[in-house]
Amino acid sequence: KAGVTQTPRYLIKTRGQQVTLSCSPISGHRSVSWYQQTPGQGLQFLFEYFSETQRNKGNFPGRFSGRQFSNSRSEMNVSTLELGDSALYLCASSLEQGGWYEQYFGPGTRLTVT
Amino acid sequence: GENVEQHPSTLSVQEGDSAVIKCTYSDSASNYFPWYKQELGKRPQLIIDIRSNVGEKKDQRIAVTLNKTAKHFSLHITETQPEDSAVYFCAAFSARSGGGADGLTFGKGTHLIIQP
Repeated sequence: KAGVTQTPRYLIKTRGQQVTLSCSPISGHRSVSWYQQTPGQGLQFLFEYFSETQRNKGNFPGRFSGRQFSNSRSEMNVSTLELGDSALYLCASSLEQGGWYEQYFGPGTRLTVT
Repeated sequence: GENVEQHPSTLSVQEGDSAVIKCTYSDSASNYFPWYKQELGKRPQLIIDIRSNVGEKKDQRIAVTLNKTAKHFSLHITETQPEDSAVYFCAAFSARSGGGADGLTFGKGTHLIIQP
């Protein structure tokens, strides 16, 4: 099976702009989780989508949002970008909802905010 | 919420020796503990995991142990090889009562260096 894919792989944006990232899970996986990875904070959970619904959310401001489509593909949106949003954004797919199931990561989208 | 502490932050071992990375967690409701390996510029890869109903799991040179009473779990790599050099992350999943759950909570990572 093909692995998790993410597009784009790299993005450069300016403060105040918004950005949309895309994630395609492994075929048959119904859950997609998003994580932010930075050198200082490490890997932090953003949110999880399952059956087109946000099931769980981490401690991030409302500027971070997402959605999931009927084919399980997911998008993440960040509005009003800040310099501190520069990070590697990783999505992970799993068979079912919840961290109990093995999660497989995509290659990530490297976002740089200038 | 859950908090995961990981030690050491850097570990240097001679090729062929064993490496041990330790993690502690705070939420006694946590019931799933995966370990990920991340090479420079690459995605985290799941290398082994353990659930709270077992105390130890082994896969070739890699093993994980879990002590629920003490709330800590460890990764053991034997006969280390140069390709084991990477950053290793532990994580914990806590299913809250009532059905809600957070995602995985990760430790800060251990940079494992295998000296030739």
